[in-house]
Amino acid sequence: QLQLQESGPGLVKPSETLSLTCTVSGGSISTSSYYWGWIRQPPGKGLEWIGSIYYDGSTYFNPSLKRRVTISTDTSENQFSLKLSSVTAADTAVYYCARDLIGYCSGSTCHSFDYWGQGTLVTVSS
Amino acid sequence: DIQMTQSPSSLSASVGDRVTITCRASQSINRYLNWYQQKPGKAPKLLIYAASSLQSGVPSRFSGSGSGTDFTLTISSLHPEDFATYYCQHSYNTPWTFGQGTKVEIK
Repeated sequence: QLQLQESGPGLVKPSETLSLTCTVSGGSISTSSYYWGWIRQPPGKGLEWIGSIYYDGSTYFNPSLKRRVTISTDTSENQFSLKLSSVTAADTAVYYCARDLIGYCSGSTCHSFDYWGQGTLVTVSS
Repeated sequence: DIQMTQSPSSLSASVGDRVTITCRASQSINRYLNWYQQKPGKAPKLLIYAASSLQSGVPSRFSGSGSGTDFTLTISSLHPEDFATYYCQHSYNTPWTFGQGTKVEIK
C-alpha cells in the first residue's frame, strides 16, 4: 500500500523559506505513470495546487506561486521536496503531498491526486 | 486560470437521501474533472476521475457525470459516513484548480 508522509518545521518566520519533504513508501517515485505533487489548504479554506514534479525533474507549477516555489526529487531516498521562499502569513496552511496520477481522458493526458499524505500544518509567524 | 464554481456551498440532508452537487467550469474542460471527499482533519480522498470513472474502492453509490463546463456528483443514497466536504478539480490545463467545496451536513 502506497503511503506518503510530509515532514518539516511547523513554524516558519515571515520572509524565510518554508521547506517540506514527502517520503514515499510502498512504491517508487521513479515510475513513468506518475507525477508527485504539493497541495495546500489554509485553515478553514479550500485547496490550492502548488506544483508537481516527475522523477526526471520535469515540473508544473501554479503561476501564482511559481516565482517562489522549488520542487525537487531525491530518487535515492524516494522523496520529493517543496521549498517556498519569502513566506508571509498568507502561506499559513496545511500542506499535503500527493501522487499525481497521469491518466488518459478523451485521447489526451489528465491528472488526478489518488494518494495523499496526512498533511502538515505550517504556520508563518514571528 | 479556469475558475471552478460549486453549488450549493452547503446542504443539509438525511441518511438515505439522494444528493447532487454541481460544479461549473469557467470554460470548457472536456471531461478533465475529478471529485474528492474530505472529512475534518483528514486529507482529501479521490472519488471520481475523468468526470465519471469511479476510483477503485469507492462505493458505487457515488457517480459523476458531465462534460464541457457542467458536471455533477451524485450520491444515490446518503450513508452516515458520507457527511463531509466535497471538492471538484480540473486538470484541463495548469494551474489545476479546485472548486470552493460543498459541505454536506446532517439534517
